[in-house]
Parts: sequence; C-alpha cells; structure tokens
Amino acid sequence: ELKVEQNPLFLSMQEGKNYTIYCNYSTTSDRLYWYRQDPGKSLESLFVLLSNGAVKQEGRLMASLDTKARLSTLHITAAVHDLSATYFCAVDIKAAGNKLTFGGGTRVLVKP
Amino acid sequence: NAGVTQTPKFQVLKTGQSMTLQCAQDMNHEYMSWYRQDPGMGLRLIHYSVGAGITDQGEVPNGYNVSRSTTEDFPLRLLSAAPSQTSVYFCASRQAAVFSYEQYFGPGTRLTVT
Repeated sequence: ELKVEQNPLFLSMQEGKNYTIYCNYSTTSDRLYWYRQDPGKSLESLFVLLSNGAVKQEGRLMASLDTKARLSTLHITAAVHDLSATYFCAVDIKAAGNKLTFGGGTRVLVKP
Repeated sequence: NAGVTQTPKFQVLKTGQSMTLQCAQDMNHEYMSWYRQDPGMGLRLIHYSVGAGITDQGEVPNGYNVSRSTTEDFPLRLLSAAPSQTSVYFCASRQAAVFSYEQYFGPGTRLTVT
C-alpha cells in the first residue's frame, strides 16, 4: 500500500527566511505532484515531477525529486505573506490510472 | 471551457437521507475521480473511473456509489448519509494520454450530515 508522509505538519515562517517541506513516499511511484490549497478553496497545481533528479521552480518555490530516496522537497525562498496556505504532495502510479495518494499536508503561516 | 464543475457547493443532510453530488467536465477527459477531505487531512480517494462504463473503488468507498454513463459526468451517490460522511468532496479529471499528467480539480462540495 502506497503511503505518503509530509513534514512538518505546521510551519510558522518569518518573512524573508528560507524553509523546506519534506514529502516521503513508501513505494516506487511514477509522478509526484505538489499542490497549494487556500482556506475554503480547491487545490491549485504547483508542480509535477516525473523523474529522478527533477527540479522545477516557480517564483519563490522550488520542488525536487529523489526517486531513490523516495523523497521530494518543496523549498521556499525568502518567504512572503502571500505564500501562507496548506501545501500537499501527492503521488501516483501510471498503471493505477487516476489514483492519487496524498500526504497529510503542511500548513504554512508566514508572519511579518 | 468551464473545466470541472461540482454541484451543489454546500449541502446539509440528516442521517439516513440520500443525495447525489454532481460532477461534470467539458475537457473530454477519460479519467475522473472523487476524493474526500476531512479537517486537517489530505484528500482520500473514494471512487474513480478510467472511462464511461468503468468504475472502481478507491481507499474509502464504503457508503458511496458511482456510475459513469457518459464521459462528461461522474455523479457520487450517498445512499444513507451518516455523520462520518461530513466532509468536503472534490471531483477531479485528467486525460488518459501517457504524457498527460495534470489533474484538474473541481471547486468542491461541503457536506454536513447531522
């Protein structure tokens, strides 16, 4: 059974500082997704990582994937208040169609 | 394109009532799924479909039924609502193509069962 664990569960950030969210998964997977969710809203896609060593960056967010360690990281550079949200990673397996397995989420609060 | 739409946005049911949550997509996606999100948790897969006429169970299927008679629609039925089904429900869709990865999520339905 595929399991996905994120840590930390909650991250209080100071503006201007750097932080990392970790996502571990238990079995070989084909794709790793990062999503952002604002309170009361749906999920917004941030990144899809497809292969070992993949790195994607958008603004202050950078995601990377190490398939050998079964680990993905979401790095936040110089945090700003607008990045306050809950971040989820999710993994799937090609052969399993549309079945995403989600981590429990990391709630991020960026304080001035 | 409207993308993935869900109705209703909010619903309150009494224990034992039945209802159908509607999900539709206009992107001709083969894959569709239903997830539930409980407070402070990630999404958990209820049922999914890889095409019209084909459905299968996810991680938490008990108490829910689905059918897929068209590519566009994937309704979720609660036959006899229970308080444990109080949750936010998200529908998602994706193309079946090998190099198509993006999942599209609907806005969600917030369900309360009293």
